[in-house]
Amino acid sequence: AQSVTQLGSHVSVSEGALVLLRCNYSSSVPPYLFWYVQYPNQGLQLLLKYTSAATLVKGINGFEAEFKKSETSFHLTKPSAHMSDAAEYFCAVSEGSGGYQKVTFGTGTKLQVIP
Amino acid sequence: ETGVTQTPRHLVMGMTNKKSLKCEQHLGHNAMYWYKQSAKKPLELMFVYSLEERVENNSVPSRFSPECPNSSHLFLHLHTLQPEDSALYLCASSQAAGEVGGYTFGSGTRLTVV
Repeated sequence: AQSVTQLGSHVSVSEGALVLLRCNYSSSVPPYLFWYVQYPNQGLQLLLKYTSAATLVKGINGFEAEFKKSETSFHLTKPSAHMSDAAEYFCAVSEGSGGYQKVTFGTGTKLQVIP
Repeated sequence: ETGVTQTPRHLVMGMTNKKSLKCEQHLGHNAMYWYKQSAKKPLELMFVYSLEERVENNSVPSRFSPECPNSSHLFLHLHTLQPEDSALYLCASSQAAGEVGGYTFGSGTRLTVV
């Protein structure tokens, strides 16, 4: 069984500061890991994905995440927060199952950016 | 048109009404999903269709009835809903399990049951 834990349901950072959103996973097989972002009243948009190639994954909007197998972590970072980064972020883990992708989502972390 | 399109974007319905949510994708994906997103709750997987066959139904009440007439279209038929069914309903699509590209989501339908 797979699961994802996101530490902190709300994170506040100042504009220009480092963004760090934490995600730990559990999976019985080598995982595929994702970060999604959701803006108010919108669907989820894929930020980046890890599929067993490079452990440091770069995504859109300047975000990146590092896969650390020893820590079972996949934390999301951005060096300098922008006001437009305010949104909810979801970590997810996936395994293939019977012809479709079975994705388990974390409970989400709302990022607030303070001017 | 590319991506996943959901209609309507907003829907208000009475408890005795019947309505349908529509989802359409033009990405060539062969799996489609319905999720429910309620305030302060994790995303709940409702239904999964793979190659137009329902492969997962996560104990969803029968007042929700999915339909997948072809690989590009997915519907969620609603009848005699309850106020607690008010939520954002998200449709997603993906490739088959062997190509793990993640989901592509639609913008959702904001449903309010009065």
